[in-house]
Amino acid sequence: RKEVEQDPGPFNVPEGATVAFNCTYSNSASQSFFWYRQDCRKEPKLLMSVYSSGNEDGRFTAQLNRASQYISLLIRDSKLSDSATYLCVVRWTDKLIFGTGTRLQVFP
Amino acid sequence: NAGVTQTPKFRVLKTGQSMTLLCAQDMNHEYMYWYRQDPGMGLRLIHYSVGEGTTAKGEVPDGYNVSRLKKQNFLLGLESAAPSQTSVYFCASSSQGADTQYFGPGTRLTVL
Repeated sequence: RKEVEQDPGPFNVPEGATVAFNCTYSNSASQSFFWYRQDCRKEPKLLMSVYSSGNEDGRFTAQLNRASQYISLLIRDSKLSDSATYLCVVRWTDKLIFGTGTRLQVFP
Repeated sequence: NAGVTQTPKFRVLKTGQSMTLLCAQDMNHEYMYWYRQDPGMGLRLIHYSVGEGTTAKGEVPDGYNVSRLKKQNFLLGLESAAPSQTSVYFCASSSQGADTQYFGPGTRLTVL
């Protein structure tokens, strides 16, 4: 079983749509949680951290459920520029464990 | 600030050849990491360092060696390249105790 599991997609959505990504992790001792974004043939970049209380950054909302070991990312009012791969990431000790990513394609 | 840079950007090797990938960061970060990214596998940690002069194995260390002689540099070596090492290699750094890792632009390596 992978330590961090994501639906690989792709998710193809029209501009303006709301889309949600989910992720599960296996290590209950994981310490911190993140979503990274990776554009095609580019390096990953931090999108946002994820907290149990839920957190929002503009059109992006992230949620953590420690009891279910489940992380989510909601994107509202999708833009063409949101097209990318979204990586679910979990921290354990000094290391980050990456999911394989969910690809999002927003079309006009 | 350049952030995290990687040299070279692209390289083609023949089986059995050796090479060194260089990662440099100008953010005074303590921690540095080497990952490989393959289709369907995600990012996998090869080796990492928690400070100058230290190194530790990650998830997939076999066939690679590393050195951290200077705080700003982290070198990844392939002593005898194999086709299975064809991949995109990313270096990252973070400050001590911080969660955010900053990535370099990657090195695309092909081993024939």
